[in-house]
Amino acid sequence: DTAVSQTPKYLVTQMGNDKSIKCEQNLGHDTMYWYKQDSKKFLKIMFSYNNKELIINETVPNRFSPKSPDKAHLNLHINSLELGDSAVYFCASSRLAGGTYNEQFFGPGTRLTVL
Amino acid sequence: AQSVTQPDIHITVSEGASLELRCNYSYGATPYLFWYVQSPGQGLQLLLKYFSGDTLVQGIKGFEAEFKRSQSSFNLRKPSVHWSDAAEYFCAVGARPRAGNMLTFGGGTRLMVKP
Repeated sequence: DTAVSQTPKYLVTQMGNDKSIKCEQNLGHDTMYWYKQDSKKFLKIMFSYNNKELIINETVPNRFSPKSPDKAHLNLHINSLELGDSAVYFCASSRLAGGTYNEQFFGPGTRLTVL
Repeated sequence: AQSVTQPDIHITVSEGASLELRCNYSYGATPYLFWYVQSPGQGLQLLLKYFSGDTLVQGIKGFEAEFKRSQSSFNLRKPSVHWSDAAEYFCAVGARPRAGNMLTFGGGTRLMVKP
């Protein structure tokens, strides 16, 4: 059973289009994240949701809108796609409750290519 | 704010040789430290983590890392490298729970293994 899954694995689209990436975790975690990995492999956090509430928003353009319908899902919608949005997007999850730090589990990534 | 530096962008070692990947961090409190590995086209897999206690931590696939507070380092080691270890390695520092369990990654080190 896959712990953190993402769909689609690959996404190729034209500039200006709107697209969504979906993420699901079956680990029972209460916190989910989106990370962006650029062409130089640099990984940077974009958003984090805890119990469906946004808790981290790292100066991401407002064309990016995360949505968490429930604790097990965190989707990423991107409007008006630009060439610079081409990257690999990783979803992750962890357990935030308990007052201690808990490791994050990552999905396989979605490679987005904007033409 | 926390930061992570991995000074070596690329490292090439011969199969069977020992390996050390360097990681330096900057964080104002006791850090939560991680090493992740990313094989080509894959997601991130946790190799090992340091939260507290023994400064030498053992991980999967024969890896270990040593936390040295005086040097702000968390270097990854393996006594004998296998060809399947060729991958990208990321060091990361985790913020405390009140900051939303955020991971900050280093720029990564690409490991190549010569036969």
